[in-house]
Parts: sequence; structure tokens; C-alpha cells
Amino acid sequence: ILNVEQSPQSLHVQEGDSTNFTCSFPSSNFYALHWYRWETAKSPEALFVMTLNGDEKKKGRISATLNTKEGYSYLYIKGSQPEDSATYLCYSGGYQKVTFGTGTKLQVIP
Amino acid sequence: ETGVTQSPTHLIKTRGQQVTLRCSSQSGHNTVSWYQQALGQGPQFIFQYYREEENGRGNFPPRFSGLQFPNYSSELNVNALELDDSALYLCASSLLTEVVTDTQYFGPGTRLTVL
Repeated sequence: ILNVEQSPQSLHVQEGDSTNFTCSFPSSNFYALHWYRWETAKSPEALFVMTLNGDEKKKGRISATLNTKEGYSYLYIKGSQPEDSATYLCYSGGYQKVTFGTGTKLQVIP
Repeated sequence: ETGVTQSPTHLIKTRGQQVTLRCSSQSGHNTVSWYQQALGQGPQFIFQYYREEENGRGNFPPRFSGLQFPNYSSELNVNALELDDSALYLCASSLLTEVVTDTQYFGPGTRLTVL
């Protein structure tokens, strides 16, 4: 992996379903992995910053894991709600050495 | 809300013109970074300012320049606009310390359209 890649590009889930998506990043020279939640016409909102292999972070129904050896992070949403509809963006790096993924657009259908 | 604001929200310019985008950082943040997000892509790092000095630059030509002021405001200037400069421009402020995991706080962006 040379760049930061996110998958899937978009997904639709029913309200109440749990879902997860992936951020893949170069495992060499790893600094940190950041997750953001970005609603249309608003500012991206910081969710997690993860630095250590095996890190697990949780914020309400949203959690994330990190594997720096293989270069991926998973974001999980348990019991999706319509207000979870947003683009979820990750970036790898620190200071100005920042590389973003293209985001996963989540639509939760009531 | 992040406390980071940007102006204007939208802007339309013609090719060859110059544009100035503005950002107001969170109080106390010593660093501001600017990003360009073209349609269908992730944000691309333009440059970073730390205590009013440029502190790193991405792969953008010199016609992209910036300023950071002591009052936590900053500017992105783009000269000789090209059609490919049409994008969403995001600023993000942070408190730069020796810890590389500082969270960046983003503004909502300025949508620039170049005709």
C-alpha cells in the first residue's frame, strides 16, 4: 500500500444494523491514524487518533481498531442510526506528512 | 462545532484571477494547515504555518501562498487561477507540540469554482 485507501466507497444500511469499514495505509514509517466524521456542509469532526498497534478506541456506538504491522484500521458502528449518515474519513501521518483516504460515505436508511 | 471558521463559503472566479481565502483558527492554536479537496478525492496537503512561518509544503506550485497572523487568523492566496483549482479548500488548526498525534480541528471549507 503506497497511499491511504478506504473501502467501501459508499454503503447503505438499515437503521439498527451494525456496519464496519476499512482504512488501509502504508505500514512503514507509521506515525498515527486519525478518523473523522464529516457531515455535508459541516466541519469534519475528530473521532479517534490511534498510534499503537492493537489500539482500540470507543466513543458511544462507534469504535475503531488499529493494526500497524499490516497497515489497516477498522471503524465499527453498532446499531446504526440516521444521524450516523456522514462520510467517514481517515488519514495517516503527523505534522505536515498527512495522507488522506477518499472516505466512506455511509447512508443509514430509517 | 470545531470553533474553526472559514470565509467565504462559496466563491466563483475566472481563470487568471487571484483569490484570497480566510480562516480563523481556534484560540491558542499555533499551527494552521490548508488542504485542497478536488471532487472525488481525499484532501491534499497544501502547506502548514507554525507561528507565522511556513512549516512544510505539499506538492503545490508557488502560486499557492499563505499567511498566518498573530490573532489566530490565516489566509490562503492563489494567483493565476486555473480551472483545476476548482475544489473545496479546508483549513485546520492544531496545537503543535512534540507529540505527533495532535488532533487537527477543521473548518467547514470554502468551495472555489474557477470558470
